[in-house]
Amino acid sequence: SQTIHQWPATLVQPVGSPLSLECTVEGTSNPNLYWYRQAAGRGLQLLFYSVGIGQISSEVPQNLSASRPQDRQFILSSKKLLLSDSGFYLCAWRSMDGGKINEQFFGPGTRLTVL
Amino acid sequence: DQQVKQNSPSLSVQEGRISILNCDYTNSMFDYFLWYKKYPAEGPTFLISISSIKDKNEDGRFTVFLNKSAKHLSLHIVPSQPGDSAVYFCAGDYGQNFVFGPGTRLSVLP
Repeated sequence: SQTIHQWPATLVQPVGSPLSLECTVEGTSNPNLYWYRQAAGRGLQLLFYSVGIGQISSEVPQNLSASRPQDRQFILSSKKLLLSDSGFYLCAWRSMDGGKINEQFFGPGTRLTVL
Repeated sequence: DQQVKQNSPSLSVQEGRISILNCDYTNSMFDYFLWYKKYPAEGPTFLISISSIKDKNEDGRFTVFLNKSAKHLSLHIVPSQPGDSAVYFCAGDYGQNFVFGPGTRLSVLP
C-alpha cells in the first residue's frame, strides 16, 4: 500500500531563516506530487506541483521554491522566511492512471510558525 | 479568479439530521469533482467523487449531487454524526491539478 510521509510535523522558525520541508511517498511510482499551504482560516492553496523528477510548476509567485531530486521525494524550501509564510503545509501525491478518477492523497502536514 | 466557491464558511446541524454542503464552480472544463474532509492538524482525506457526466453518486451516508447547468454540486450526509464535524473541501479536477474551494466547517451537535 501507498504511504506519504512529511517532516517535521511542527516547526518554529525566526523571520529570515531558511526552510526545508521534506515529503516522501512509498508504494507508487512516478506520482504527481503537490505542495499546498493552508493559512489560518483559509482554504488549500496550491503552491507547486511536479509531474516528474526535476519538473516543477509554480502556481503562486512567492519566496518559496520546490525541488524533486528523486521520483518519490518532494522538497519545499525558502532562503529567507517571512511572517506570512506561517501556515499548515501539506504534501500530496496522485497517480495519473488513465480512465478513472484519481484522487490526491495527502500527508499529515507540517505546522510552520514564523516568529 | 475563484473557480470553486463554497459560500458557507460554516454550518451547524443536529445529530441525526441531514447536512447539506454546497459548492459552485465557474470552470466548465472540470472532468470530476471531489469532496475531502479535514480534521484540525491533519491532512485532508478523500470522501467521495463524481464524474462530470453523472448527476449523482452515493456511498453509504454520503451522496453527491451535480447540476451541470447550474454549475453547482452538493454533498448530503444522512444521518449526520458528531464524528462528521470537520472542514469539508470541494475540488474540481482539471488536468494535472485539483482546484479546491475555501472549505465549509461542519459542526454536528449532539
